[in-house]
Amino acid sequence: AQSVTQPDIHITVSEGASLELRCNYSYGATPYLFWYVQSPGQGLQLLLKYFSGDTLVQGIKGFEAEFKRSQSSFNLRKPSVHWSDAAEYFCAVGGGKLIFGQGTELSVKP
Amino acid sequence: DTEVTQTPKHLVMGMTNKKSLKCEQHMGHRAMYWYKQKAKKPPELMFVYSYEKLSINESVPSRFSPECPNSSLLNLHLHALQPEDSALYLCASSQTRGETQYFGPGTRLLVL
Repeated sequence: AQSVTQPDIHITVSEGASLELRCNYSYGATPYLFWYVQSPGQGLQLLLKYFSGDTLVQGIKGFEAEFKRSQSSFNLRKPSVHWSDAAEYFCAVGGGKLIFGQGTELSVKP
Repeated sequence: DTEVTQTPKHLVMGMTNKKSLKCEQHMGHRAMYWYKQKAKKPPELMFVYSYEKLSINESVPSRFSPECPNSSLLNLHLHALQPEDSALYLCASSQTRGETQYFGPGTRLLVL
């Protein structure tokens, strides 16, 4: 069955610290992978996507993600977190039908 | 430009009301989607339109009725909703089915 697991429900990091949000997927074929961010009461904004090619993907707002087929992972990273990064982050897999993880809520300490 | 717009932003309705949510995109996308999102949960797919034809209906109750009048517009007609239908309703579009989905800001619906 196709699924996405985000093991961390809530993460708190200090401003300026590095960040890694974990995402593991189960998918039959080569997956299309996405990270979206959602601020409270807002829609989802696409941070980055992976379809094929270079396994290190650069996105907006200084985010990057690395696709590791052997680990079925697509972890999101940022070297230095800003207070404005506080939001809900969703990893998703699929094509015509997106399968979302449960989300990771990021809090940023000043 | 990757903008999807949704109106209204907020909607309060009674259980006997009829209302509609609207979604619009001008990116030339040919696939459009409706999602429902409850608090602290991921979006749940409701409907997918591809080339203005309904291609996926995720067993949504008939009190939700989608409509795609043209390639730029997507409506969701609401009738006799229940309080548990209160949620954020998100619209998304993509070039075609299977391509990257771009989301609108959502309509926050409260059913009293």
